[in-house]
Order: sequence, then C-alpha cells, then structure tokens
Amino acid sequence: AQTVTQSQPEMSVQEAETVTLSCTYDTSESNYYLFWYKQPPSRQMILVIRQEAYKQQNATENRFSVNFQKAAKSFSLKISDSQLGDTAMYFCALAVYNQGGKLIFGQGTELSVKP
Amino acid sequence: KAGVTQTPRYLIKTRGQQVTLSCSPISGHRSVSWYQQTPGQGLQFLFEYFSETQRNKGNFPGRFSGRQFSNSRSEMNVSTLELGDSALYLCASSLGGGVETQYFGPGTRLLVL
Repeated sequence: AQTVTQSQPEMSVQEAETVTLSCTYDTSESNYYLFWYKQPPSRQMILVIRQEAYKQQNATENRFSVNFQKAAKSFSLKISDSQLGDTAMYFCALAVYNQGGKLIFGQGTELSVKP
Repeated sequence: KAGVTQTPRYLIKTRGQQVTLSCSPISGHRSVSWYQQTPGQGLQFLFEYFSETQRNKGNFPGRFSGRQFSNSRSEMNVSTLELGDSALYLCASSLGGGVETQYFGPGTRLLVL
C-alpha cells in the first residue's frame, strides 16, 4: 500500500521570506510521480509542481522548487519570496504507474503568509 | 481551453435520497477521476474512468457509482445518502490517466441533512 505523510498541519511565514513544506511517502513501486497541489481558501485545487521519480534533477517552477530525496522517500516543497497569494492548503500527492488515475494525498499543510 | 467544470456547485439532500454529480473534463482529456474531500478523512480517491470504462476504484461502498460518456463527461451517483457523505466532491481530468497530471474542477459541495 502507498502512503503520503505531511507532518506539518499548519505553518506560517512572513511575506518575502522562504518556507519549506515537508512530505514523506512510501511505495514499493519504482515508477511513480510526485505532485504538490495548492488549494486556496474556497478556490479550486491547482498544480504547483510535479516530479518524475526517475529524474534525479529537482523540479522547479518559478518561486517553487522541490527537494526530492528518493532513498529517503522525501519530497519537500520550498517556496521562495512568499507572497500573500501563496496562502492556501498545500497537498503532497503520489501517483503510481500501475494504479491508473489514482492520486494518494497527504493530509495537507495549511500555509499562512503574513504581511 | 476551458477548465474542468462541475455541476451543481452546491447541493443539499436528506438522508436516504440519492444524488448525481456531473463533471466535464478539459477538452481532449479522456480520463476523469473522482475524489471525496472531508475534514476528517482528507482527500480520498473514489474511481477513475477512461474511455467509458472504470479502470480503478477506491475503498468506497457500492452506493458510490459512476459512469463516463462517449464525450468523456462523467457522472457520479451516490444512493441512499448518509450523513457521512457530506463532503466536497472533486473531479479531475487528465489526457490519458495513469500518472499524468490531473487538473481539478471547483468541486460540488454536498450537505446531507
């Protein structure tokens, strides 16, 4: 069975600072993908960043980057230059190749960016 | 391209009733997945449809069912509603399913009284 764990239910950061959200996962499969999704208050879930497990290079998308440690099964998200619009619930998710169309989500981290 | 749309956005039902929720995927996407989001259980996978066939199913009772039409639109049905079915129901579409990126709709918020 696959699991995803986010150990930080809530975090806060000052505007313009950097924050890192943690995620660990467990799977015995070798072919999988990892995602970070963002769900702003009362708004829909959007993709932040995606990482293919076979790629050693960490994914980046503008101010968002990941630290993918495959051996440790760790997949943290770093947000640089935090903005008020980054306030949201962040979910880490795992997709395994032979489990079509199924995302396994962590419990989420509620991030507040303070002015 | 238009995003994933879900109707209705809000729904109030009473115990024992049944409900049908609809999801229209992004144009060209053939896979639709459904999720239930609750404060206690988080986001849980219900099922995935691809080319009108259910390819994967989560651990939900048989009261939860779905289908997909030839235009990739999908519906999910919950029969004999229980209070615990109150949740935000999200659908997501992707090009081919599998490990491809899923794009989410705004959700249908269901309240069972």
